[in-house]
Amino acid sequence: DIVMTQTPLSSPVTLGQPASISCRSSQSLVHSDGNTYLSWLQQRPGQPPRLLIYKISNRFSGVPDRFSGSGAGTDFTLKISRVEAEDVGVYYCMQATQSLTFGGGTKVEIK
Amino acid sequence: EVQLVESGGGLVKPGGSLRLSCAASGFSFNDAWMSWVRQAPGKGLEWVGRIQRKADGGTTDYVAPVKGRFTISRDDSKNTLFLQMNSLKTDDTAVYYCAKEWFGAIDYWGQGTLVTVSS
Repeated sequence: DIVMTQTPLSSPVTLGQPASISCRSSQSLVHSDGNTYLSWLQQRPGQPPRLLIYKISNRFSGVPDRFSGSGAGTDFTLKISRVEAEDVGVYYCMQATQSLTFGGGTKVEIK
Repeated sequence: EVQLVESGGGLVKPGGSLRLSCAASGFSFNDAWMSWVRQAPGKGLEWVGRIQRKADGGTTDYVAPVKGRFTISRDDSKNTLFLQMNSLKTDDTAVYYCAKEWFGAIDYWGQGTLVTVSS
């Protein structure tokens, strides 16, 4: 099974400042079809998760461009260029290259 | 507008059974791979399992802790996804989300239904 490890567990950020979340997989996420099925989700308090980024770096419909994804192989990063109050929540990476697994989550909060 | 509406959650004793349903609308349900994801109180997300679309074989796949106890099925004529849960344990207590897969991601989630396993 592929294990997804996120760091940090918690990220206190000042409004308007950037935030960065790392996600590492226990094995390469490159699928036999050539795609890398790594996505990022946001879960605001009391809400179901919401898709932000799919296939490493593609923003989903309606997602602000302050969110960006990057990486390759086993190491991936989600960046928020300027954190806004509505960005508070828990962020998860997810792989679907082999079955499906989630990272443990990173809580983004305002300092 | 895509909608996924779960139902069937509730309180059940350890060893008991429960069947969750997910009514889907706003997309071609028969073309979608569908998953169930759960979230224990105060914890992270755990994928439970998935069912492929029939055109891809309709195969199911489950996470190890639920294999042999949970069964995912679908009724494409009614745009409905099911999760049959047997031999429930206290560790199965969670909010269960119905989820639509898309290009190796999950693009839509239901609001979730709470399952509580307790004596």
